[in-house]
Amino acid sequence: EVQLVESGGGLVQPGGSLRLSCAASGFTFSSYWMHWVRQAPGKGLVWVSRINSDGSSTSYADSVKGRFTISRDNAKNTLYLQMNSLRAEDTAVYYCARDGGGVYDLDYWGQGTLVTVSS
Amino acid sequence: SYVLTQPPSVSVAPGQTARITCGGNNIGSKSVHWYQQKPGQAPVLVVYDDSDRPSGIPERFSGSNSGNTATLTISRVEAGDEADYYCQVWDSSSDLYVFGTGTKVTVL
Repeated sequence: EVQLVESGGGLVQPGGSLRLSCAASGFTFSSYWMHWVRQAPGKGLVWVSRINSDGSSTSYADSVKGRFTISRDNAKNTLYLQMNSLRAEDTAVYYCARDGGGVYDLDYWGQGTLVTVSS
Repeated sequence: SYVLTQPPSVSVAPGQTARITCGGNNIGSKSVHWYQQKPGQAPVLVVYDDSDRPSGIPERFSGSNSGNTATLTISRVEAGDEADYYCQVWDSSSDLYVFGTGTKVTVL
């Protein structure tokens, strides 16, 4: 059974940093692209970032480019999102998701971790 | 940047058919995916590549895509189908993934 479990969320002050983790199990993690998607309270889904299977290629939404860094450790079956220079508008539930492969869908999602940016 | 537009809400009586549209420029040339999200839960993929269903998703969920509009159709709607639904595509020109604005389906 595919499982994705996010952790690392919490309360952080504006301008601060936070690192999210996503522990994967039930599939060959090193074979799949992975994503981060966020959802502000009461709002819709917003794609944040994607990393390819070996970590050599990444892509970011314009709203986080230069502030967030996606990475992975295939030996630990773990996906990361390093978030710097956080702003109030980054407050959201952050989901990690697996890329289905081939047609660019997201076929499995974690339950999410809440990040709150506030003073 | 590529924009996907959905109606904010759709209401349907039990047993009837709900149709949720997703509009985008020449979206018919892209693969469209649909997600269901119930309150307090993570999204679930219900249709991928325009019209395919993941295992475990009822045949009542179907999709189509042509021209500037993709459509998710839910036949014989049940109370348990009440949720938010999002379309999604990959924009090859920018290498960005895009979600639609979301549609709240209410079962009357």
